[in-house]
Amino acid sequence: SQELEQSPQSLIVQEGKNLTINCTSSKTLYGLYWYKQKYGEGLIFLMMLQKGGEEKSHEKITAKLDEKKQQSSLHITASQPSHAGIYLCGLQTGTASKLTFGTGTRLQVTL
Amino acid sequence: NAGVTQTPKFRVLKTGQSMTLLCAQDMNHEYMYWYRQDPGMGLRLIHYSVGEGTTAKGEVPDGYNVSRLKKQNFLLGLESAAPSQTSVYFCASASGGSNYGYTFGSGTRLTVV
Repeated sequence: SQELEQSPQSLIVQEGKNLTINCTSSKTLYGLYWYKQKYGEGLIFLMMLQKGGEEKSHEKITAKLDEKKQQSSLHITASQPSHAGIYLCGLQTGTASKLTFGTGTRLQVTL
Repeated sequence: NAGVTQTPKFRVLKTGQSMTLLCAQDMNHEYMYWYRQDPGMGLRLIHYSVGEGTTAKGEVPDGYNVSRLKKQNFLLGLESAAPSQTSVYFCASASGGSNYGYTFGSGTRLTVV
């Protein structure tokens, strides 16, 4: 979707390294979701951010919302092979809880 | 396990054939959605439903029809399949106002030859 741009498109990191994925919106960010997709499987909900400045963490994954930049970042600390997959951000748009998704960031973690 | 179940998981169709993809959820969610996922395009919304008996068009509805006769089921139909409909299809459900977003099915990989 042109409404949400993710960067980088793909990323290869060595196990133990930190990494950051960005999601930039052309619209005001309200209701920004992060999902992870393992290859060949469905999407798993990671976390949701609702307002500027909000930051949430789950295990080694931290997501932040910068309202001024219209951007959210997903940071993984000390990456592990289990972190490999496709990370997608989704923005709540319109009614009925519809989500518009970014094109995803493919993460590979090497040993 | 509770969640969203999609059938079938894989299917190959010939151009012009029809088929129905079934999505079933057991979480009593009001909202259900059908998305397609294509390389470089991300997930795009095909159709959605806000409750039993209701459906609405999403971003890319052409060539698809849907029905939600029962709250737990959301069917996606292809009347005359085209190669452009080769994709991975995902169904998702949500309860209105949830902070947990969608629960996704595991997807249906459809190839139209």
